[in-house]
Amino acid sequence: EAGVTQFPSHSVIEKGQTVTLRCDPISGHDNLYWYRRVMGKEIKFLLHFVKESKQDESGMPNNRFLAERTGGTYSTLKVQPAELEDSGVYFCASSPGGEWGTFWDEQFFGPGTRLTVL
Amino acid sequence: GENVGLHLPTLSVQEGDNSIINCAYSNSASDYFIWYKQESGKGPQFIIDIRSNMDKRQGQRVTVLLNKTVKHLSLQIAATQPGDSAVYFCAENRDSGNTPLVFGKGTRLSVIA
Repeated sequence: EAGVTQFPSHSVIEKGQTVTLRCDPISGHDNLYWYRRVMGKEIKFLLHFVKESKQDESGMPNNRFLAERTGGTYSTLKVQPAELEDSGVYFCASSPGGEWGTFWDEQFFGPGTRLTVL
Repeated sequence: GENVGLHLPTLSVQEGDNSIINCAYSNSASDYFIWYKQESGKGPQFIIDIRSNMDKRQGQRVTVLLNKTVKHLSLQIAATQPGDSAVYFCAENRDSGNTPLVFGKGTRLSVIA
């Protein structure tokens, strides 16, 4: 079974440009998460989808970030316009989905997209 | 604010020795803790987890210890191998169910052959 995949693996753009990151979760996983790791710091949560709905977007840094998951399958994360501080590694994770309060699903991570904003 | 952190940023261990990676947390309400391993160019990979109603859990060559009194979590790796070289993150899940993880900063483990 294929794991979580992310595209592209690397992206180098100039400040002010737009970049779209894509995540394909494991087939059948309802939960999809976006995280990012800025250089030297911890991995931080950005957004959580349950199927096509945004369950929690409290980690999104500002309105330059837009995430979508149309149809509840793959997800995109668009940064427009990109700023220098957006550089980092963006991870996507997915989990099957379980009953709230009784079961916790392991989150499977993709390899990440390394974004460099010049 | 409350967060999950790590005592040591780097750790060098001789091959064959045991490794201990530590993590401190401050949210006493956290009920689930996970250790992840991240190798270069890859995403975090689940190693082992533990619930707050336990103080020890063992896997293959790995053991996680939880001390709720001092809010401390540790990962022990027995007979450390070169393939164990990676960055290790602790993470907490502050609510039951499928909710976002809160990660610590990570500890880089280097195994000396």
